[in-house]
Amino acid sequence: AQSVTQLDSQVPVFEEAPVELRCNYSSSVSVYLFWYVQYPNQGLQLLLKYLSGSTLVKGINGFEAEFNKSQTSFHLRKPSVHISDTAEYFCAVSKGGYQKVTFGTGTKLQVIP
Amino acid sequence: GAGVSQSPSNKVTEKGKDVELRCDPISGHTALYWYRQRLGQGLEFLIYFQGNSAPDKSGLPSDRFSAERTGESVSTLTIQRTQQEDSAVYLCASSLGGQGATEQYFGPGTRLTVT
Repeated sequence: AQSVTQLDSQVPVFEEAPVELRCNYSSSVSVYLFWYVQYPNQGLQLLLKYLSGSTLVKGINGFEAEFNKSQTSFHLRKPSVHISDTAEYFCAVSKGGYQKVTFGTGTKLQVIP
Repeated sequence: GAGVSQSPSNKVTEKGKDVELRCDPISGHTALYWYRQRLGQGLEFLIYFQGNSAPDKSGLPSDRFSAERTGESVSTLTIQRTQQEDSAVYLCASSLGGQGATEQYFGPGTRLTVT
């Protein structure tokens, strides 16, 4: 069975500082990976996804993530955060095709002015 | 509609009553998911429908929870004999569900409060 681990439940960071939100997955087969974002009092929306090809994936709002197969990781990064990036971020994994998507427990990013 | 819709947006019910939550997925999306999000917590998978296949019910927390889907359209999540611990936001999501992973589109959720 596949699973996703987000070790950091909360990450405080000062505005304009870089941030990395960690995500590790376990699966015995090839996977597809996603990051979703949930802004306060809003629904979830897709930030970026990795299906195949280049291991560096760029998403919306200046975020990017790197797929590392050997370390089974898909960490999310942004070089300079804004107050508006304060949200909860969820990593998710799927085997693709008709397989269900499994979400991590989420990481709350708090950007401090 | 353009997106996933859910109704009602808010539901307050007394302990022991049954509730029914509705989800209208995006037209043409064969996959539909239900999740539960308790206050301050992550997404808890409940059930997954994919086309005409048998649903994956592995996330349903007890036999008080059940869900149905009519073809590839509307889905209802029913909670019988509600308990206070059922209070949460219930999210529905749909996706194309074809070969190659596709993103999920989430509805706004139904906030359930059991008093």
